[in-house]
Amino acid sequence: GAVVSQHPSWVICKSGTSVKIECRSLDFQATTMFWYRQFPKQSLMLMATSNEGSKATYEQGVEKDKFLINHASLTLSTLTVTSAHPEDSSFYICSARSVTGASYEQYFGPGTRLTVT
Amino acid sequence: KNQVEQSPQSLIILEGKNCTLQCNYTVSPFSNLRWYKQDTGRGPVSLTIMTFSENTKSNGRYTATLDADTKQSSLHITASQLSDSASYICVASYNAGNMLTFGGGTRLMVKP
Repeated sequence: GAVVSQHPSWVICKSGTSVKIECRSLDFQATTMFWYRQFPKQSLMLMATSNEGSKATYEQGVEKDKFLINHASLTLSTLTVTSAHPEDSSFYICSARSVTGASYEQYFGPGTRLTVT
Repeated sequence: KNQVEQSPQSLIILEGKNCTLQCNYTVSPFSNLRWYKQDTGRGPVSLTIMTFSENTKSNGRYTATLDADTKQSSLHITASQLSDSASYICVASYNAGNMLTFGGGTRLMVKP
């Protein structure tokens, strides 16, 4: 089956620094990838939709200058949390969309736990 | 407004018992209904996907049902195991599967 990986799986950084999270589709090409954030005991919240070769589309309330998304290839999207604050501590999950015929399927990565101290 | 509601929010059952999780959805235009299992600290893993024409789909001890008329779905877990302890998320997709709406999840704990 389709596999999506994320790196790192967890990261601790100091307040004010930037952190980059990678999302890779390992055995399929994904023109579209999605970034989600999940706080404890809550469901996934879509942050942005990343399309290969174009600018990401951000959901309402998500600061595009703070959460930089780059989708430079069909198998890699990156999320950079800039000037991280403790309230950015969360579980970040990406998904990659695979197209089969006329239908779509999203495959989720294992997530990245970010802790900002 | 597109939304998905799940019940119960949490559930504790004894190992070996069965349980059923519920999901009500309102999305348009509806594409399919998915159930995911999410272990703590991990990404969601797909259990079942059903289109409007499918009433039931099984994946091992997991059986999902779908009533497209009432916009309700259920996930039945048979002979629960300790490893079934996780959050189960109901997701309704729309716009030809381009968009997903997530339910709040049901946190299941299976005790020995």
